Amino acid sequence: ILNVEQSPQSLHVQEGDSTNFTCSFPSSNFYALHWYRWETAKSPEALFVMTLNGDEKKKGRISATLNTKEGYSYLYIKGSQPEDSATYLCALEDGAGSYQLTFGKGTKLSVIP
Amino acid sequence: DAGVTQSPTHLIKTRGQQVTLRCSPKSGHDTVSWYQQALGQGPQFIFQYYEEEERQRGNFPDRFSGHQFPNYSSELNVNALLLGDSALYLCASSTTHGFSNTGELFFGEGSRLTVL
Repeated sequence: ILNVEQSPQSLHVQEGDSTNFTCSFPSSNFYALHWYRWETAKSPEALFVMTLNGDEKKKGRISATLNTKEGYSYLYIKGSQPEDSATYLCALEDGAGSYQLTFGKGTKLSVIP
Repeated sequence: DAGVTQSPTHLIKTRGQQVTLRCSPKSGHDTVSWYQQALGQGPQFIFQYYEEEERQRGNFPDRFSGHQFPNYSSELNVNALLLGDSALYLCASSTTHGFSNTGELFFGEGSRLTVL
């Protein structure tokens, strides 16, 4: 059973602050790493799919980095806004023949106006 | 363009009953995956359907079964419901084209099942 860990479990930041959180995974099982944003009462929305060591992806104020050798990915949010409040999930693809994602438990972000 | 739609949104069943959940994928998608999210946990993979066949299955008992229809829509069936089956059931659609096996998943809003 793969173990995908996310930290912190939750955090509160003030509007305008920048923040980041971590996704850790077994580096020996890496094939691809996904990030999703899940707002309350909505459906999870894909942010990034990352496959290469050293990958950096950016979408607006949100960016992500990937280190497959040490088994972690960081998600950064610059200048947090209340609409960034959501649970951020990372998920691991673990092999060329696998079609399943193994999700972490998520980081719940609350941005205080 | 309609996204992924799931029905019903909420339902309550009693132990031992059977339930069917339905999913219509995003237009142009041919692959449907089902995930279970129990309280306090991340989504857990149940199975994936492609070309009307179960392509991969997660660590779920045979009480969980599914089907994919020629129009790519899918059903998840759970028999002999247990209290522990209470969860949010998410359907996700994707295409087989992309740079990862799974590709970007498009999720529905889920069906929340409560088993009493």
